[in-house]
Amino acid sequence: TQLLEQSPQFLSIQEGENLTVYCNSSSVFSSLQWYRQEPGEGPVLLVTVVTGGEVKKLKRLTFQFGDARKDSSLHITAAQPGDTGLYLCASAGSNDYKLSFGAGTTVTVRA
Amino acid sequence: DSGVTQTPKHLITATGQRVTLRCSPRSGDLSVYWYQQSLDQGLQFLIQYYNGEERAKGNILERFSAQQFPDLHSELNLSSLELGDSALYFCASSVASGLTYEQYFGPGTRLTVT
Repeated sequence: TQLLEQSPQFLSIQEGENLTVYCNSSSVFSSLQWYRQEPGEGPVLLVTVVTGGEVKKLKRLTFQFGDARKDSSLHITAAQPGDTGLYLCASAGSNDYKLSFGAGTTVTVRA
Repeated sequence: DSGVTQTPKHLITATGQRVTLRCSPRSGDLSVYWYQQSLDQGLQFLIQYYNGEERAKGNILERFSAQQFPDLHSELNLSSLELGDSALYFCASSVASGLTYEQYFGPGTRLTVT
């Protein structure tokens, strides 16, 4: 089982500020997914990154996959209160479909 | 709304009891996954079924079992419940098996064992 470390654990910012959360592993990711989970709901997939060095953009969210495929980051520009939630990274082993999740980063955007 | 339904939404029971959690996948999805989310362990994969057959197993205790029925709905059975089993249990579904297929999560069942 791949261990994923996310940092920071908590992040509280003012509306309009930028933020970055990180996901790291000591081993190589075959692919990596980012999810957002709101209170009382299940996680929702935001993006899947597969290729080292890949950058994907989803409106104000930018996802980067490290060249060595051992780390990833999620950057939010001009955060809004609607971005509040638990951000989780997840990955699976190269030979199975079991998703391992990081502990998550709880993001709070204050109006 | 992901299209995945789970019942019940909340469940309160006593230690030693047995409960059944139910999941209906999105229409057309053949694969069902069960996850447990607790404060100290985070979100953990339990088990996956694909078209009625067990496909992958994670950190599922022997006291827990699951099955997927011919109509593709799935049930997770938890027995001899302990206080530590209190958690959110999520079901997810996907069209097929594999990471290229997005998993859609249901709203979860919150289990409280007293």
